[in-house]
Parts: sequence; structure tokens; C-alpha cells
Amino acid sequence: KNEVEQSPQNLTAQEGEFITINCSYSVGISALHWLQQHPGGGIVSLFMLSSGKKKHGRLIATINIQEKHSSLHITASHPRDSAVYICAVRLYGNKLVFGAGTILRVKS
Amino acid sequence: NAGVTQTPKFQVLKTGQSMTLQCAQDMNHNSMYWYRQDPGMGLRLIYYSASEGTTDKGEVPNGYNVSRLNKREFSLRLESAAPSQTSVYFCASSKTSGRVRGTGELFFGEGSRLTVL
Repeated sequence: KNEVEQSPQNLTAQEGEFITINCSYSVGISALHWLQQHPGGGIVSLFMLSSGKKKHGRLIATINIQEKHSSLHITASHPRDSAVYICAVRLYGNKLVFGAGTILRVKS
Repeated sequence: NAGVTQTPKFQVLKTGQSMTLQCAQDMNHNSMYWYRQDPGMGLRLIYYSASEGTTDKGEVPNGYNVSRLNKREFSLRLESAAPSQTSVYFCASSKTSGRVRGTGELFFGEGSRLTVL
């Protein structure tokens, strides 16, 4: 079993919809990262979380340390949000473990 | 501020050839990482260096070696390239404080596309 599980693997949404991507992990972590990768593109860090909630524009990330779970929400989704979203956890000792990624497609 | 710089961006090798991927960051980060990305496989950690002078294996270290030359530079070497090492390689860095919770935003290089024939 992977230490980091993301769901769903694939997600198609209509423009304007509210989107949620989930990440569960099974190990103790010092931080959790949400990353974004556009097709053929580089990887951008969206959020780094160790507790609570963060918001940046239409993106919201939450983490529940006790339940070992994090969610990434996109409000009022847009076709330019189409990308792969990756959850990664940082273990104590700084090793990174990645989820398999969620492929999001937002249709206009 | 260049961030994380990887070279080369593209490389074609023949089976058995060797090469080194270079990564440098100018943000005074202590942690650096190499991982590979393959279709349908997601990102897999090859090696990482939590601090200057230390390196540790990740999920898929076989066939690779690394050197943390100094705080800025972390290189990945393929001693005898194999077609299975055809992939896109990404370097990343972060500033972390060991066991201090919550530190260390990740910064990525643009990737190096390697093809082994």
C-alpha cells in the first residue's frame, strides 16, 4: 500500500464547478505539499501545510493531522485549472513521498 | 534569482553510456531532491540530500548515483544508461529545519528529458 493515496485519479468537471481532490497518508509527516503540473510543463508548488487551512485565490487547502488527510478545493473552476495535481508528504528527515496525482480536466 | 537550474534540458544517450545531470539552487536551501516522472507512474524519488554532506536513497535509486557537491549543487549520475531510465528528471530544493514542523516550501527545476536508445 502506498504511503500516500490520492483520489480521484481522474476528474472531469464543467467550468464553474466546485472541485475537491483528496489525499490520505499513513505516516507521520512534518508537512504536506500540493503541487500543480500543466501538460508538458514544470511543477509548481501551490501550498505547503502542516495544520489548518490555507487559501490562495480560488484554491483552498486543508489538512487534518489526526485523520492524516488533506483536501485541495478549487472554487469556480476554469479550463486553465486543467492540470495534474500532486500531493506530497515530507517525512521527518526530509524525505518526500508523492501521491500518484489527480488528472483534472475542466471543460468550458 | 534563478531558483533551481537543471542541465541539460534534453539528452539522448545510447545504452551503456554515462552522463551526469546537474542541479543548482541559489536560495541557500539545505534539502535537495532528484526524482523521475514516467507516464502513468507519477513522481518517484530517486535520491535526496537532507543537508550538505548527506545523501539518502529514495524509492528508485538503482542505476543512479548522486553527489552533493556543496550546498548549492546536487548532481545525478547514470553510470551505464539503460532504456528503462528514459524519463523526465526533476530536481527540487527546499529550506527545511530538520524536525521543525511546517518548514520547507518546494521549488522545482524545469526538468530534463532523457532518452536512452
